[in-house]
Amino acid sequence: AQSVAQPEDQVNVAEGNPLTVKCTYSVSGNPYLFWYVQYPNRGLQFLLKYITGDNLVKGSYGFEAEFNKSQTSFHLKKPSALVSDSALYFCAVLGTYKYIFGTGTRLKVLA
Amino acid sequence: EAGVAQSPRYKIIEKRQSVAFWCNPISGHATLYWYQQILGQGPKLLIQFQNNGVVDDSQLPKDRFSAERLKGVDSTLKIQPAKLEDSAVYLCASSTDWGPRRNTIYFGEGSWLTVV
Repeated sequence: AQSVAQPEDQVNVAEGNPLTVKCTYSVSGNPYLFWYVQYPNRGLQFLLKYITGDNLVKGSYGFEAEFNKSQTSFHLKKPSALVSDSALYFCAVLGTYKYIFGTGTRLKVLA
Repeated sequence: EAGVAQSPRYKIIEKRQSVAFWCNPISGHATLYWYQQILGQGPKLLIQFQNNGVVDDSQLPKDRFSAERLKGVDSTLKIQPAKLEDSAVYLCASSTDWGPRRNTIYFGEGSWLTVV
């Protein structure tokens, strides 16, 4: 079965420090992977996606994600966190023909 | 480019009442999705339309939920009768087509339902 896991419910990081939000996946065939962000009382906003090609994918707001096939991971990263990055982050994988979302990781950036 | 429009944004109803949510996708997007997001969980697909046809409604509780996309553009999701466990955010999303090579899913702001 195709699935995605976000092992951390919450990640705390100090402003200016690098941040990582973890995601692992299980899928048959080539994985198509996505990151979305959700701010309070808002819908989900697309950040970036991996389809094929370079393992390091760059997205919106300075975020990037590293695809690691051997570890079946697609971790979200940012070199320097901002307080405004505090939000709920969802990893998603494209299953047979539908998107499967993780349970989300709440990122809290402390000033 | 206008985004995915949803209304109402917030709704409070009593159990056993009915409610309807409306969605207008991004212009030209053939695929429309309704997701249910319960607090603390990730979005769960309820139904996926390709134009006005249903691609997947396997997780739609058909005894109480219904959805339609009659002209292949906007869509309505109805719940009747509502239960307490239906309290959630109902997210509408659209894409030019399904399949990541051709599109990205874009979400609306969500319709927040509280059943009391």
